[in-house]
Order: sequence, then structure tokens, then C-alpha cells
Amino acid sequence: DIQMTQSPSSLSASLGDRVTITCRASQSISRYLNWYQQKPGKAPNLLIYAASSLRSGVPSRFSGSGSGTDFTLTISSLQPEDSATYYCQQSYNTVMYSFGQGTKLEI
Amino acid sequence: EVQLVESGGGLVQPGGSLRLSCAASRFTFSNYWMSWVRQAPGKGLEWVANIKQDGNEKYYVDSVKGRFTISRDNAKNSLSLQMNSLRAEDTAVYYCARVDCSSTSCFPYFDSWGQGTLVTVSS
Repeated sequence: DIQMTQSPSSLSASLGDRVTITCRASQSISRYLNWYQQKPGKAPNLLIYAASSLRSGVPSRFSGSGSGTDFTLTISSLQPEDSATYYCQQSYNTVMYSFGQGTKLEI
Repeated sequence: EVQLVESGGGLVQPGGSLRLSCAASRFTFSNYWMSWVRQAPGKGLEWVANIKQDGNEKYYVDSVKGRFTISRDNAKNSLSLQMNSLRAEDTAVYYCARVDCSSTSCFPYFDSWGQGTLVTVSS
């Protein structure tokens, strides 16, 4: 099984800050890494796929990078609506997908 | 816009069974892998099961193998999850999700989600 570990588990930042969330895979997953945003009581929403591709309609302040085992999600200038929990997810192993434990972002 | 609507959740006793359904619309259902993802109260996301477009490949997280069965009916645009021998730790919101790929090469991701249905396993 591929384990996904996110850090930090939670963070607090201010409007306009630049924030980075990291995700580490227990083995190389190439670029099979996706990022989701989830707000309370809502289904997750895809932000980034294939490690660095921005989903259409997602604000450009969101970006992703990395390959192999280490990945990052960066929000360049925090907005109030970015308060949410963020999850990484690997799709390298189609037999068993897995998510990171989540990072709760407070603004 | 893609629509996925789950149903079938509820309260069930430990050891009991429940069948979840997901009604898909506004896309060609038979063209996509589909998944179930769950989220226990106050916890993170957990992938549960995948099913291929034709239903001939199915994969499960270890904790539900032998107890849950994913299936689909492409004629009815419907995805199902039969859950048997339910345990307290199966208590969660269950989401139906569509699996898509980027157009140039296939890096799968969950691009559409339902609103979720709550399953509570308790005596």
C-alpha cells in the first residue's frame, strides 16, 4: 500500500499570505498526485491533478509541484474563501487509491 | 454539469447490511471508472472501492474486502455499494465519485462528487 503523509496537519495564516502544504508518498508515484479542497459539510473539490495541472475554473493562486515522492500545494495570496481542509491523493496504484490525512487551513 | 446523487444511507445495527445507490446523469456513465469514497465523522477521506467502465474490474480497500461489493448498471446509469457485516468503524458519509483522466495521458483523479449519504452503524 502507498501511504500519503501531509504536513502540517493544521495551520493558521493571514489574508494575503503565501501558504505551502506538503505531501509525501511512501514510494515513488511519478506525477500521479491530486489535490482537493473540502469545506465543512460539502463534498471535496478537485484543485490540482497530475501534480501540477490546475483544474479549469480554479483560481490561479493555487499551484502544485513535485514528482516522485514529494509534492507541494501552494496558495500564493490567501483569500477568505480558502479556509478549508486540503487533501492530497495518489492515483498511481489503481488497485488502491489513497489520501493524505488532510491539512486544515484557518485564516 | 455532471450530477451524482447518492441514496440508501441510514442507521443499521452492527452485523447488518445496507445498499447504497448513486444515480448518475448529464454524462455518458458507461465511459468512466467510478468510485466510492467515505469520510468518518470528523475524519479524513478514505477511498473505498473502484469499478471499471464495464464492471469487470473491481478494487477495494483492505478493510472492506469480503464485506462490500461495488457494482454498476450502465443501462440505468447507476452505481451501487452493497455493504454487509457492517461495523461501527464503517460509520461515515459515503460519496460516489467519477474518475476522469487528463486528456494527454491518464493521470486519474476524482473530478465529480455526489453530496454524500450518511451511514451510521450502531446498536
